[in-house]
Amino acid sequence: GAVVSQHPSWVICKSGTSVKIECRSLDFQATTMFWYRQFPKQSLMLMATSNEGSKATYEQGVEKDKFLINHASLTLSTLTVTSAHPEDSSFYICSARSTIYGYTFGSGTRLTVV
Amino acid sequence: QKEVEQNSGPLSVPEGAIASLNCTYSDRGSQSFFWYRQYSGKSPELIMSIYSNGDQEDGRFTAQLNKASQYVSLLIRDSQPSDSATYLCAVNPTDSWGKLQFGAGTQVVVTP
Repeated sequence: GAVVSQHPSWVICKSGTSVKIECRSLDFQATTMFWYRQFPKQSLMLMATSNEGSKATYEQGVEKDKFLINHASLTLSTLTVTSAHPEDSSFYICSARSTIYGYTFGSGTRLTVV
Repeated sequence: QKEVEQNSGPLSVPEGAIASLNCTYSDRGSQSFFWYRQYSGKSPELIMSIYSNGDQEDGRFTAQLNKASQYVSLLIRDSQPSDSATYLCAVNPTDSWGKLQFGAGTQVVVTP
């Protein structure tokens, strides 16, 4: 089946630094990539939607200058959390959508900002 | 605001029994419906997808969709301790450009 490789699986960073999370679809092309954030005991909240070669579309309340999304190819999308603060600590999950496989989720990244 | 509603639980189910999970959605035009299982600290994994009214079975899992009543349910037969997880209902609303809208999830605890 379809696999989305997400890295890193966990990261600890200092407040004020930036962190990049990478999602790569293996053996298939993702027409669209979705980025979610999940706080403890809460559901997935969609942050943004990105299509290859175009700017990401952000959900209401998500700061586009803080959460930079790059979708440079049909197999790679990155999320950069800039100037991270403790309140950005969360579980970040990507999901790749393809016509063949539907929605495939990455394994998630646990971000802790100290 | 298009919504997907689930009981948060926890739903306690004896091992071997049937677990019944419900989900309602507000967008009548929704076409695609999904059930995901999420273990603590892990990413969601797809259990079932359903697109038309009626029942759809896959092993111990049965998804039921009733578009007129705007609900979708999941039955887990012969529940096992490994079924203990949070189950997320997801809907593809109309005009959503492929976005999934998730419910808050129902925690299921299967007791030996």
